[in-house]
Amino acid sequence: QQQVKQSPQSLIVQKGGISIINCAYENTAFDYFPWYQQFPGKGPALLIAIRPDVSEKKEGRFTISFNKSAKQFSLHIMDSQPGDSATYFCAASKAAGNKLTFGGGTRVLVKP
Amino acid sequence: ETGVTQSPTHLIKTRGQQVTLRCSSQSGHNTVSWYQQALGQGPQFIFQYYREEENGRGNFPPRFSGLQFPNYSSELNVNALELDDSALYLCASSLLGLVNEQYFGPGTRLTVT
Repeated sequence: QQQVKQSPQSLIVQKGGISIINCAYENTAFDYFPWYQQFPGKGPALLIAIRPDVSEKKEGRFTISFNKSAKQFSLHIMDSQPGDSATYFCAASKAAGNKLTFGGGTRVLVKP
Repeated sequence: ETGVTQSPTHLIKTRGQQVTLRCSSQSGHNTVSWYQQALGQGPQFIFQYYREEENGRGNFPPRFSGLQFPNYSSELNVNALELDDSALYLCASSLLGLVNEQYFGPGTRLTVT
C-alpha cells in the first residue's frame, strides 16, 4: 500500500523557471513532512520540512505548501538552476515514530 | 560535527550468501534507521534502532536483522541473499523524541548475482 503518492515522475524546466512537485498522503496520523534531494550515487539530503500547523514554509528558493484538509503538500523550486537537477522525494512520518514513508520520487531536469 | 558514514561503498555478493553493512551515526544522534532503495524507487523503511533495541520494523523478512552498539553505530545483516536484495542500502541517524529530522549516509550499493 503506497501511503504517499508523488507526482509527476519526471519534470523538465528551463533555467529560471518554477518546478512544482506534488504529494498526497493517506494516513492522518502523519504530522511531519520533509522533502529530500538526491543526486546520483548519493544518499538523500534533507532539503526542507513542514509540520501541519503551518500552511507554508519557505527556505531560500524552496517553498513547501501544505493543505491539511486535502492531505496534500507540494514543493516549489523558484528560479530553478541546472544544479537543482536531481531526484526529489517527499516523505511523511508520525510524531515520535521517526519511520519515514517516502513517495516514489520526481526526477527534475533543469535545462540551461 | 561528523556526518553519517557507511561502509562499504559497493559490494557484490552471490545469491544465498550473507552480508553485513555498517553505519556510523552523526555525532549526538542516538537513533539509526535503515532503508532499502531499489533502482528508480523511493527508500523503504527496514527497521530502526534506539538504545541498542529494535524500535520499529518495516515489511521485511526476518533474514534482515540489525544491531546497534553503545556508540550508536549500527550494522545491517542480510542472510540468504536473493537477487531482489540488490539495492542501495541507506542508513539515517536522528535524535529520537525531539525532532524527526533524519540525516542519511551515502549508502552501500549491494549487487546480488
